[in-house]
Amino acid sequence: DTEVTQTPKHLVMGMTNKKSLKCEQHMGHRAMYWYKQKAKKPPELMFVYSYEKLSINESVPSRFSPECPNSSLLNLHLHALQPEDSALYLCASSQGRGLAVHYEQYFGPGTRLTVT
Amino acid sequence: AQSVTQLDSQVPVFEEAPVELRCNYSSSVSVYLFWYVQYPNQGLQLLLKYLSGSTLVKGINGFEAEFNKSQTSFHLRKPSVHISDTAEYFCAVSRWGGGADGLTFGKGTHLIIQP
Repeated sequence: DTEVTQTPKHLVMGMTNKKSLKCEQHMGHRAMYWYKQKAKKPPELMFVYSYEKLSINESVPSRFSPECPNSSLLNLHLHALQPEDSALYLCASSQGRGLAVHYEQYFGPGTRLTVT
Repeated sequence: AQSVTQLDSQVPVFEEAPVELRCNYSSSVSVYLFWYVQYPNQGLQLLLKYLSGSTLVKGINGFEAEFNKSQTSFHLRKPSVHISDTAEYFCAVSRWGGGADGLTFGKGTHLIIQP
């Protein structure tokens, strides 16, 4: 099973709202990622968690707050977003480490976020 | 740092014709190479990967790619395309031995299959 699930599928929020995106994988992967994808653009890395610890933050504004409660779950907390934050938010996971190194990342279907 | 260049933003091809999508990369260290496909309103699906070994890599849906270290290329090919292959294709790299690094993507190539 190579499935990464994301909820919700669609989210519309106002600029003063607080919401959260959720991501889950049961492949035993120890690295999880958040990407942001604007229309007709490639995904851009936001955050990387390795063994439940934040290892990479690509200078993302503080209105985006990631959380990794355990090895299977990854959240992205949203607060005071701007309309330009509207995008597809993709979660991914990978093995992250090991002798048989396979760093391919498996992506979820994404959450389509619209900020009004 | 790594970078990826996909030379064609859009490639129109007739159904059952062969196709090649071009990808060149730049890196000061060894890299892993990947091709992902994204259908409309969906996430990314891994087509194939090059980690080491044979430079000709076979993937899903009849796609294959060849790693050429001297030309720093990783072009994707399919001998006969189908309407269902219409999608956005992304070439990506990650740093070899870099642990849980993120992927660096090219800008994507939109493959359009014409009947």
